[in-house]
Amino acid sequence: GAGVSQSPSNKVTEKGKDVELRCDPISGHTALYWYRQSLGQGLEFLIYFQGNSAPDKSGLPSDRFSAERTGGSVSTLTIQRTQQEDSAVYLCASSLGTTGWGQETQYFGPGTRLLVL
Amino acid sequence: GDSVTQMEGPVTLSEEAFLTINCTYTATGYPSLFWYVQYPGEGLQLLLKATKADDKGSNKGFEATYRKETTSFHLEKGSVQVSDSAVYFCALSRMEYGNKLVFGAGTILRVKS
Repeated sequence: GAGVSQSPSNKVTEKGKDVELRCDPISGHTALYWYRQSLGQGLEFLIYFQGNSAPDKSGLPSDRFSAERTGGSVSTLTIQRTQQEDSAVYLCASSLGTTGWGQETQYFGPGTRLLVL
Repeated sequence: GDSVTQMEGPVTLSEEAFLTINCTYTATGYPSLFWYVQYPGEGLQLLLKATKADDKGSNKGFEATYRKETTSFHLEKGSVQVSDSAVYFCALSRMEYGNKLVFGAGTILRVKS
């Protein structure tokens, strides 16, 4: 597609349930990033992938959060045993790469709005 | 660690007024600097960027100059429009950290007609 797509656009779940959020990056972009946007914390980095590898997972808030990327394309962010503080907008972005000049510009998807009741 | 500080809002201006949103950063080395904009109900969009000292990024009448001596990247526009009402985020990235973005808190801009 022309841009980064994310699904679902909205997700309402009950506390304790697991959720999966999906990101489809721009074709040809080898780098993929997950961020979280919440009222109290602003925009926070979660994890990034270069290809299928995740060199930096430092932003994942707890071990309930995990992410994977397969085929150098689609990525899934999984939150296990959701808590109310997980409620936020989860944003995905992609860029050409991470190792060369001019590859740094990230293009964002529309986000998934997660509400944990 | 790296950080970005931008002026708190909301900033309220009348149409055709001059806009400045201040942004300063803390980072070693040579980060790339960005302004992203989020219009109501829409996703984050890149507004402009600069990748080295003294570079000027510009787009849609907005400008920002990468000032290494003052570690700043202030956003300016000569004449704002109602359609510029949005949230503006200053951000930096560094290649040695995989270009992950570090964002400021965001500044709400409201333009009145």
